[in-house]
Amino acid sequence: EIVLTQSPGTLSLSPGERATLSCRASQSVNSGFLAWYQQKPGQAPRLLIYDTSTRATGIPDRFSGSGSGTDFTLIISRVEPEDFVVYFCQQYGNSPWTFGRGTKVEI
Amino acid sequence: EVQLVESGGGLVQPGGSLRLSCGGSGFTFSTYWMTWVRQAPGKGPEWVGNIKPDGSEKSYVDSVKGRFTISRDNAKDSLYLQMNSLRAEDTAVYYCVRGTYWFFYWGQGTLVTVSS
Repeated sequence: EIVLTQSPGTLSLSPGERATLSCRASQSVNSGFLAWYQQKPGQAPRLLIYDTSTRATGIPDRFSGSGSGTDFTLIISRVEPEDFVVYFCQQYGNSPWTFGRGTKVEI
Repeated sequence: EVQLVESGGGLVQPGGSLRLSCGGSGFTFSTYWMTWVRQAPGKGPEWVGNIKPDGSEKSYVDSVKGRFTISRDNAKDSLYLQMNSLRAEDTAVYYCVRGTYWFFYWGQGTLVTVSS
């Protein structure tokens, strides 16, 4: 199975700064089938990005995704107070689908 | 409005069984692949398995094969997860999710704790 390694584990930023989150796959992800989720405490994950770079319905344009092969990136252009939570990547190009362990964005 | 509501979680002893249910509303349940995703405390989510709209195909992660069974009743707009031979490492919040690749609609989750 594909192992997704997210870095950094914790990202310390101030509101308004740019956040760059990395997701590296142990092997190439077919067709760029990679998604990003945001999770607030006590809630289910919320889909942000799918197919590497397509924003899900209702997601603000400060969130963007890019990458290919084994290296993928989620960028938050200007971090808002509500963005200080945990982010996961997920690949669905090779069964079984797998998730990363997450990056926590903290103030 | 799409809603997914899980039920059936709780405390169970190692080796025991539990059946989770998920009711879907606000969409045509019988036309969607459905998936179970679990998340252990403090960990990333884990795909458990999925089922085709007509129930004819199912897939599972290796760690639950032979122990967990996914089923559905489209007449009742319901999804099920039968969990047998439960282990401590199965302790997690279990989410019912619509779709098969990426997941936009999630239930609120139901907690399963396997402990003596």
